[in-house]
Amino acid sequence: EDKVVQSPLSLVVHEGDTVTLNCSYEVTNFRSLLWYKQEKKAPTFLFMLTSSGIEKKSGRLSSILDKKELFSILNITATQTGDSAIYLCAVGGSNYKLTFGKGTLLTVNP
Amino acid sequence: DGGITQSPKYLFRKEGQNVTLSCEQNLNHDAMYWYRQDPGQGLRLIYYSQIVNDFQKGDIAEGYSVSREKKESFPLTVTSAQKNPTAFYLCASSIVAGSNYGYTFGSGTRLTVV
Repeated sequence: EDKVVQSPLSLVVHEGDTVTLNCSYEVTNFRSLLWYKQEKKAPTFLFMLTSSGIEKKSGRLSSILDKKELFSILNITATQTGDSAIYLCAVGGSNYKLTFGKGTLLTVNP
Repeated sequence: DGGITQSPKYLFRKEGQNVTLSCEQNLNHDAMYWYRQDPGQGLRLIYYSQIVNDFQKGDIAEGYSVSREKKESFPLTVTSAQKNPTAFYLCASSIVAGSNYGYTFGSGTRLTVV
């Protein structure tokens, strides 16, 4: 059975801090790893990673995948209160579906 | 604009009643999915459909039923057999099943049993 583990489950920081969110996985025939941000309702897509060592960046957010060690990290630099959300990691394997982790609840205090 | 519409946003159900959650997409996606989200549990797959007139059980299908009579629509019925239905329900779609490009999500329905 495919498995995705995120850590930490929750995190409280101050504005301006840098945070690193972790995602490890066990999946048959790995195809892709995705990061989503969920503020109140619908998760919104952040990154899709398929190859090791290639960093994806979008503004203050970046992510990288290590397919040998089976993990990914999501970095957020100079955090803002608007970054407060649940960050979801999901992995696609050989079957039809994405398997999600439990998410990391990030709270950024002013 | 293309997207997924879930309705209603909030739903209250009495114990013993069946309720149906609506999910409609105009993205021309073949695959559709229903997830349940509980605090601290992440997203768990209830049912999915790869094409019209076909659907399969996910990891937590007991107490739920679905239909896929049209490509655009994938309603979820929460039956009285579901022991703990209070949760946030998310519908999603993808171009094809297992698409590497991930899912587009609806805004969710929050179901509360009273």
